[in-house]
Amino acid sequence: GQQVMQIPQYQHVQEGEDFTTYCNSSTTLSNIQWYKQRPGGHPVFLIQLVKSGEVKKQKRLTFQFGEAKKNSSLHITATQTTDVGTYFCAGTYSGTYKYIFGTGTRLKVLA
Amino acid sequence: DAGVIQSPRHEVTEMGQEVTLRCKPISGHNSLFWYRQTMMRGLELLIYFNNNVPIDDSGMPEDRFSAKMPNASFSTLKIQPSEPRDSAVYFCASSHDFRGRRYGYTFGSGTRLTVV
Repeated sequence: GQQVMQIPQYQHVQEGEDFTTYCNSSTTLSNIQWYKQRPGGHPVFLIQLVKSGEVKKQKRLTFQFGEAKKNSSLHITATQTTDVGTYFCAGTYSGTYKYIFGTGTRLKVLA
Repeated sequence: DAGVIQSPRHEVTEMGQEVTLRCKPISGHNSLFWYRQTMMRGLELLIYFNNNVPIDDSGMPEDRFSAKMPNASFSTLKIQPSEPRDSAVYFCASSHDFRGRRYGYTFGSGTRLTVV
């Protein structure tokens, strides 16, 4: 079945370091979304990418959709303690409505 | 807007009891989703409603689970009888899908269910 793989599973960084999480699909995605879930909280929508090669920025966060629309990445520049949480990608395929969530990357920022 | 509202926030019940989780989606959203989150299985889609109609319930674990959406502002997820392996956080999410364009989901705060 269609799966969305996400790596790494965990990442510990020192405050101020950069962080990247990657999302991969074996088949072409229609679009991809990114969510953040704080510890004990609920997933919060961050952004949606639709076009091949698309790059979007939100302050220190940079989101990229691969040219083949099979992978995506989220990069955080100069992490802060407020960035702590689990980051999920969720992809959907042409002809379906379902978003399949990746396993998430849990980010811990050490002050 | 108050966002997606779920109740209760926490539920502890004994095995065999009936459990009902409730959700009020964002007004104007036409799609509603029930997800279950566990450490082992991550976020699993249980059921999807569009315009109050169940479109896909293939993620519902078994006949013990049922979901309804009697109107655009209310949905329930029922487990009867409950089992310890049903312990998880259950999220309701809503979104607005218009002419094939999908928008981000808004999740509720979740219900943490513990079955003992």
